[in-house]
Amino acid sequence: DQQVKQNSPSLSVQEGRISILNCDYTNSMFDYFLWYKKYPAEGPTFLISISSIKDKNEDGRFTVFLNKSAKHLSLHIVPSQPGDSAVYFCAATWGTSGSRLTFGEGTQLTVNP
Amino acid sequence: DGGITQSPKYLFRKEGQNVTLSCEQNLNHDAMYWYRQDPGQGLRLIYYSQIVNDFQKGDIAEGYSVSREKKESFPLTVTSAQKNPTAFYLCACRDNNNEQFFGPGTRLTVL
Repeated sequence: DQQVKQNSPSLSVQEGRISILNCDYTNSMFDYFLWYKKYPAEGPTFLISISSIKDKNEDGRFTVFLNKSAKHLSLHIVPSQPGDSAVYFCAATWGTSGSRLTFGEGTQLTVNP
Repeated sequence: DGGITQSPKYLFRKEGQNVTLSCEQNLNHDAMYWYRQDPGQGLRLIYYSQIVNDFQKGDIAEGYSVSREKKESFPLTVTSAQKNPTAFYLCACRDNNNEQFFGPGTRLTVL
């Protein structure tokens, strides 16, 4: 039972354009969402998060949007840079879960110069 | 320098052997986690510990065991009962803002 799904295994964009990575979830108990970035053979690093009481959170070039009614969130990267090329994981948790994260499958983003 | 470390980076094991992966953190975080990553899949939770001397099973705990005798350390043992142990193993610890910090990972290969 995949509770967090990233339906696009890969995405390719041109440098300077917008990258949009999508994530859907099924568990209505989730109330906190995070995006992680991962390079090969390294641990993921935290990018940005959003609480279910918000619908948008922005940090520099990264913005996360949350649509609770659709159980959908997205990560926007503007402008995209070649160094952004990595696998991006969406993760979700809820307040009484012990903060255990449920991850999506990941999306490989490639930003072409 | 505060951080979370895992050792070794690469580990090879013969079938039927138990092996222990190390995870150490000096961030003073109470909660620690073990995940495994397989190609084309997200990270799946094996075990987690919210406090010293306490731990809970995650989604795929079968064939694994952990201990949490010290706050800084959360070793994972992959036993011979784990049917498909070859994977990339990631350890994490969590701060009070719900952010999890990951170690660099250990790649385990069963020969």
